[in-house]
Amino acid sequence: QSALTQPASVSGSPGQSITISCTGTSSDVGSHDFVSWYQQHPGKAPKLIIYEVNNRPSGVSNRFSGSKSDNTASLTISGLQAEDEADYYCSSYITSGVLTLFGTGTKVTVL
Amino acid sequence: QVQLQESGPGLVKPSQTLSLTCTVSSGSLSSGGYYWSWIRQHPGKGLEWIGYIYYRGSTYYNPSLNSRVNISKDTSKNQFSLKLSSVTAADTAVYYCARRGGFSREFDYWGQGTLVTVSS
Repeated sequence: QSALTQPASVSGSPGQSITISCTGTSSDVGSHDFVSWYQQHPGKAPKLIIYEVNNRPSGVSNRFSGSKSDNTASLTISGLQAEDEADYYCSSYITSGVLTLFGTGTKVTVL
Repeated sequence: QVQLQESGPGLVKPSQTLSLTCTVSSGSLSSGGYYWSWIRQHPGKGLEWIGYIYYRGSTYYNPSLNSRVNISKDTSKNQFSLKLSSVTAADTAVYYCARRGGFSREFDYWGQGTLVTVSS
């Protein structure tokens, strides 16, 4: 299985909203709600920010939200802040073979 | 708060076996129904799932690495380990250990990562 497809980069000005897409297939993203999103700052480990499509772990800002339609999941960051500048990865569970697929990653730049 | 910490050699020679250990603090390997995982990230690239070991001991590996990977655990030390055999330069990466939920499928706790370079 190939990695989930994300745009290489997305940018926005402080205060704006941006959306990152994550496109898979009916065998992964489209087959269940086990889609998660991770934020990774340079030199740091990934941090879980969204799980099961649209749930935030305790302590994660409500500026992060997730959604899904068919084979595409999306992460929206509202009220963009300088600290949101990072790489973002989606992930989907798969029932066989490669049990976890990650996205290609999106670099978010705050202008 | 669960904490994970990777340890092991930062340099491995080609054709040898890469061995890493993840020590888990504030959480037990043998309880909770979790999957204890290894994930790697090639320099400047995305994340790649390597495999995980269920708290009861069953293992699951990425088919692309299956023939070279072994994940085991030592419950008495609250550690789990990764062995990757016959390494090449293509195995140079930052290796992370992480916890995946049982019913939920996300990786909620991660180690800080350790860079392993394969070079003679």
